[in-house]
Amino acid sequence: DTAVSQTPKYLVTQMGNDKSIKCEQNLGHDTMYWYKQDSKKFLKIMFSYNNKELIINETVPNRFSPKSPDKAHLNLHINSLELGDSAVYFCASSQGSRAVYNEQFFGPGTRLTVL
Amino acid sequence: GNSVTQMEGPVTLSEEAFLTINCTYTATGYPSLFWYVQYPGEGLQLLLKATKADDKGSNKGFEATYRKETTSFHLEKGSVQVSDSAVYFCALVGKFGDDKIIFGKGTRLHILP
Repeated sequence: DTAVSQTPKYLVTQMGNDKSIKCEQNLGHDTMYWYKQDSKKFLKIMFSYNNKELIINETVPNRFSPKSPDKAHLNLHINSLELGDSAVYFCASSQGSRAVYNEQFFGPGTRLTVL
Repeated sequence: GNSVTQMEGPVTLSEEAFLTINCTYTATGYPSLFWYVQYPGEGLQLLLKATKADDKGSNKGFEATYRKETTSFHLEKGSVQVSDSAVYFCALVGKFGDDKIIFGKGTRLHILP
């Protein structure tokens, strides 16, 4: 009955590869997010989608491409992986897109290690 | 820009000790303030929040008061339990058109039995 789930939980890959992380929420929320937590533990938003439409796109290399096939899913595809992409990636969802009014529910995270 | 600074961890306490985790913020206007908690192996969960000055958020025995004069939102609990061991994140959302949550670095808390 996990509300926000991510797969895989751990991902170890070589530099230059392309990989995807999947996220699904069963809360019926309209808005989904991707966050990155780097080695210094800073947690920063990367993207958000509301009803499958991109609404927040931070300064992220265009090697990162989110894809939202429907409201319940927001996948993150990363091309040409680099060492600096190693981090923990969190997916989240909320009912509405106004962060000040809508609690965000987070997945357990995907730890990506690029060798 | 908006930012959150919280005390470095890890913080190690004995069970039933008093807990304070300091958090200060920099923001334009009066942001909303939050504490999130991440238990081992889980995602972040909202612990408590305050949306205006002098508001006190509380949940599960934790409290934090929005102090505009000191731009602070310190987390406190009178008697911690082993089950409180987790990482705690202070966060803010600005009031003016910025719908992003800005997180602090997180403070890891270890409670010893």
